[in-house]
Amino acid sequence: EIVMTQSPATLSVSPGERATLSCRASQSVSRNIAWYQHRPGQAPRLLIHGASTRATGIPARFSGSGSGTEFTLTISSLQSEDFAIYYCQQYNNWPAPTFGQGTKLEIK
Amino acid sequence: QVQLVQSGAEVLKPGAAVKVSCKASGYSFTSYYIHWMRQAPGQGLEWMGMINTSGGSTGYADKFQGRLTMSRETSTSTVYMELSSMRFEDTAAYFCAKSLTSGWSNVFDSWGQGTLVTVSS
Repeated sequence: EIVMTQSPATLSVSPGERATLSCRASQSVSRNIAWYQHRPGQAPRLLIHGASTRATGIPARFSGSGSGTEFTLTISSLQSEDFAIYYCQQYNNWPAPTFGQGTKLEIK
Repeated sequence: QVQLVQSGAEVLKPGAAVKVSCKASGYSFTSYYIHWMRQAPGQGLEWMGMINTSGGSTGYADKFQGRLTMSRETSTSTVYMELSSMRFEDTAAYFCAKSLTSGWSNVFDSWGQGTLVTVSS
């Protein structure tokens, strides 16, 4: 099983500032990684797939990068609605995808 | 718009079975697989398995083989997830999710709101 490790576990950032979230895979997953946003009590939302392709309707302030084992999600200018938990997920390993433990993005 | 609406919270005793439904709307139901994930308290998301909503074939994660059954009802665009022989450690929020692309895709572009299942004696 491919283990996805996210860091940090909690990130405190002020509105308007940039947030950088990291995700590391235990072995290469090429660019087969997705990022999701999860607000408590709501359905998770797909942000990024293919490491850097924004999903439909996702604002341009969300961007993804990386390949192989190291990946980054960047939110360029934090809005109030962006404070949530973010998960990375690899889908290179067939058939079972695996998720990271999440990074909680909180208001500083 | 695409919506996945799940059934309500459940409380069960150890050894019982739970059946959670996921009703889809806003897209062609039989064109996209439906997957199930769960999230135990304080834990990350865990993929459980998937169902081909067209033909009904299924694929399950190894740890759930023998306990997990997924089915679908095309007339109502509903998918069901049944987990038997429930244990305390099965306490979790259970989510259904739709594949991003037609056919088997492990990227999930729409999710249900989650169903909290609690196993308690």
